[in-house]
Amino acid sequence: QKEVEQNSGPLSVPEGAIASLNCTYSDRVSQSFFWYRQYSGKSPELIMSIYSNGDKEDGRFTAQLNKASQYVSLLIRDSQPSDSATYLCAVMGAGGTSYGKLTFGQGTILTVHP
Amino acid sequence: NAGVMQNPRHLVRRRGQEARLRCSPVKGHSHVYWYRQLPEEGLKFMVYLQKENIIDESGMPKERFSAEFPKEGPSILRIQQVVRGDSAAYFCASSPLSGSRVYEQYFGPGTRLTVT
Repeated sequence: QKEVEQNSGPLSVPEGAIASLNCTYSDRVSQSFFWYRQYSGKSPELIMSIYSNGDKEDGRFTAQLNKASQYVSLLIRDSQPSDSATYLCAVMGAGGTSYGKLTFGQGTILTVHP
Repeated sequence: NAGVMQNPRHLVRRRGQEARLRCSPVKGHSHVYWYRQLPEEGLKFMVYLQKENIIDESGMPKERFSAEFPKEGPSILRIQQVVRGDSAAYFCASSPLSGSRVYEQYFGPGTRLTVT
């Protein structure tokens, strides 16, 4: 089992729709969760961080975390063509040797078509 | 505020040469991380450093790779005797020492290493 798994995609949604990206992780003691966006040929850009169960909203983005189910998701409302990118889920452990190290999923390619 | 800076942005080396990749963290950030992204693969952690200390090098290949973050100057990732399999994008990230964003890592533009 991979440490961090994302829905394989690619995901294609029409402009204005909600895009839903999912991620599961295997290390039950993980405490910090992040979503990065990476455009082709560019570096990852942090768009959301979440540490507690529940929802966290920032503009058109909502991150959801369920530690009991070891599941984290990202919703993008009113999707725009400029949202087309690879979305990376990243998980950080709770401490000790896991602190600081981000483990990334393989990414989900999102395409928003006009 | 300047973000994480990396140079060079592109580096071409012949097999057997040395590659030196430099990273200057965001001003005020004390934690530096190196990640590697191989073609068609995900981002993989390599090493986590603070000033003059290697905190976690569990992702570093055992041979030919080394990293440092001296008291003064940028962090350096050094690859000796490069091989074609080292061709990849190498990203540096940094995070602050404290505060609400202490766990958030901000990435630099990366160095694209090509080994011929």
